[in-house]
Amino acid sequence: RKEVEQDPGPFNVPEGATVAFNCTYSNSASQSFFWYRQDCRKEPKLLMSVYSSGNEDGRFTAQLNRASQYISLLIRDSKLSDSATYLCVGIPGRDTGRRALTFGSGTRLQVQP
Amino acid sequence: NAGVTQTPKFRVLKTGQSMTLLCAQDMNHEYMYWYRQDPGMGLRLIHYSVGEGTTAKGEVPDGYNVSRLKKQNFLLGLESAAPSQTSVYFCASSPRGQGASYEQYFGPGTRLTVT
Repeated sequence: RKEVEQDPGPFNVPEGATVAFNCTYSNSASQSFFWYRQDCRKEPKLLMSVYSSGNEDGRFTAQLNRASQYISLLIRDSKLSDSATYLCVGIPGRDTGRRALTFGSGTRLQVQP
Repeated sequence: NAGVTQTPKFRVLKTGQSMTLLCAQDMNHEYMYWYRQDPGMGLRLIHYSVGEGTTAKGEVPDGYNVSRLKKQNFLLGLESAAPSQTSVYFCASSPRGQGASYEQYFGPGTRLTVT
């Protein structure tokens, strides 16, 4: 089983819609989580960190549910420019100090006009 | 400030050939990483370095070697390329220190095809 699992999608939504992605993780000792965004044929870039108390940045809200071991990303008022692949990323509980990241395989979002 | 750069951007190799991918960062980051990305697999860590002169194996190190002779450069070598090494290779760097972010900064990637 992968450490971090995501629904690959694609999620096809109209502009202005609200869309949510979930990501599950298997290592209960995992410390921190992030959402990265990757545009087609480009490098991943940090979108936001995920805190236990929740984290909101404009139209984006990330939440962590440690009891159920999942992370969510909510995008409100979707824009065409939100079309991308969203990567769920975790740090293994036993971080060796190399700041290792474990990446999910990504969820593709396509926002349509 | 270029961030993380990778050379080359594209390459086609024949089975058995060798090559070196170069990664350079100008952010004075201690940590550097090499990942490969394959469809449906996500990014997988090949090798990493926590400082100049040090390297270590990641999740999928077989068939690759690395060197970090200078802090700003991290080289990934394929001694005898195989078709299974066809992939997109990303280099990344991150700062060290307890107060530093875990954010990793990625290069634009190298698309490698082995025929």
